[in-house]
Amino acid sequence: SQKIEQNSEALNIQEGKTATLTCNYTNYSPAYLQWYRQDPGRGPVFLLLIRENEKEKRKERLKVTFDTTLKQSLFHITASQPADSATYLCALDIDGATNKLIFGTGTLLAVQP
Amino acid sequence: DTGVSQDPRHKITKRGQNVTFRCDPISEHNRLYWYRQTLGQGPEFLTYFQNEAQLEKSRLLSDRFSAERPKGSFSTLEIQRTEQGDSAMYLCASSLAGGSVDEQYFGPGTRLTVT
Repeated sequence: SQKIEQNSEALNIQEGKTATLTCNYTNYSPAYLQWYRQDPGRGPVFLLLIRENEKEKRKERLKVTFDTTLKQSLFHITASQPADSATYLCALDIDGATNKLIFGTGTLLAVQP
Repeated sequence: DTGVSQDPRHKITKRGQNVTFRCDPISEHNRLYWYRQTLGQGPEFLTYFQNEAQLEKSRLLSDRFSAERPKGSFSTLEIQRTEQGDSAMYLCASSLAGGSVDEQYFGPGTRLTVT
């Protein structure tokens, strides 16, 4: 069956440390993988997109890696801040024609001051 | 604010009633998506439009659900004869096909509670 798995447990880290979130998938061959942030009661907000032929993408304090052999993406937030506390969703774009997204369940990140 | 807007933000209805939600996408975006999200889960794809054409519907979308985008601008999602299992957050997103980055811009969602 097709699955997208993210850390089911909440991730608690200390301010200033690097947060690393994992997204594993099976039985998909995504054209793109995207990461979104979602705050309680609000819609997801796009953060980063990485294509299947890219290994790594960076944006300010964010870094995403994509290993299509392992079927895994890692999402890093360096120098984390309490304002980074939110749920982070990975999403697979499995059809480059429609850009329909298949989302994981999300990982709740809590950054302690 | 020129982002995606949804109306209403909250809807409480009794089982068996019909409800309709509206989504106004970013004006130049030609693609519009509807997703449903329940507590502790990621959004699930329901349907998508390119301009006014509805090009794909999920198997999750029963016959009680219908969506329209009559002039390729705003969209409506109607649920007939609501059931308690329809309680969820309904999210709308839009994107520009052919843009350099294919991210989707989400609205704030409509939270539906069926009693």
